[in-house]
Amino acid sequence: AQSVTQLDSQVPVFEEAPVELRCNYSSSVSVYLFWYVQYPNQGLQLLLKYLSGSTLVKGINGFEAEFNKSQTSFHLRKPSVHISDTAEYFCAVSEGGGSQGNLIFGKGTKLSVKP
Amino acid sequence: ETGVTQTPRHLVMGMTNKKSLKCEQHLGHNAMYWYKQSAKKPLELMFVYSLEERVENNSVPSRFSPECPNSSHLFLHLHTLQPEDSALYLCASSQEYSFSPLHFGNGTRLTVT
Repeated sequence: AQSVTQLDSQVPVFEEAPVELRCNYSSSVSVYLFWYVQYPNQGLQLLLKYLSGSTLVKGINGFEAEFNKSQTSFHLRKPSVHISDTAEYFCAVSEGGGSQGNLIFGKGTKLSVKP
Repeated sequence: ETGVTQTPRHLVMGMTNKKSLKCEQHLGHNAMYWYKQSAKKPLELMFVYSLEERVENNSVPSRFSPECPNSSHLFLHLHTLQPEDSALYLCASSQEYSFSPLHFGNGTRLTVT
């Protein structure tokens, strides 16, 4: 069965510093990977997704993620964060079929950007 | 502005009350979902309506009852809830079988007293 592990529940970082949010998954088949972001008092919105092709995926707001099949990871990175990036970030995995009802979410990582 | 609207934003109800959460999507999607978001837990999928058919989820207690009268509207009927049901309830929609992303509403913050 598939599962998603986000290793850090909270990540504090100073403004303009780089950040990496870690995500590992467990699956015996090919997977599709997603990062969602949740700003305070809002629902989740898609940051980026990996379906196939290039393992480096670029998303909105300057975020990118790299799919590493051998390490079963899909870490999210940003070279320089802003105060407005303060939010909770969720990694999610699907084993396919195109149905979003198959998505499994991680527990989330709260990114706190300090001035 | 989100294409998925949820009402109410906040709801406080007693354990003997009956209430309903409403969700409406304006995106032309063919699938709608209810998720439960509790602190320190992964997002829990409660119900899926895909192509207007309900996908059963046997792990959800019967005190939660979904209704999807058409592809744009989704309800979650609540009755005799427990305090542990207090959470943020998120509605989402997507275009099924196309890898399109989930579009979420802003949620209903439910408190059961």
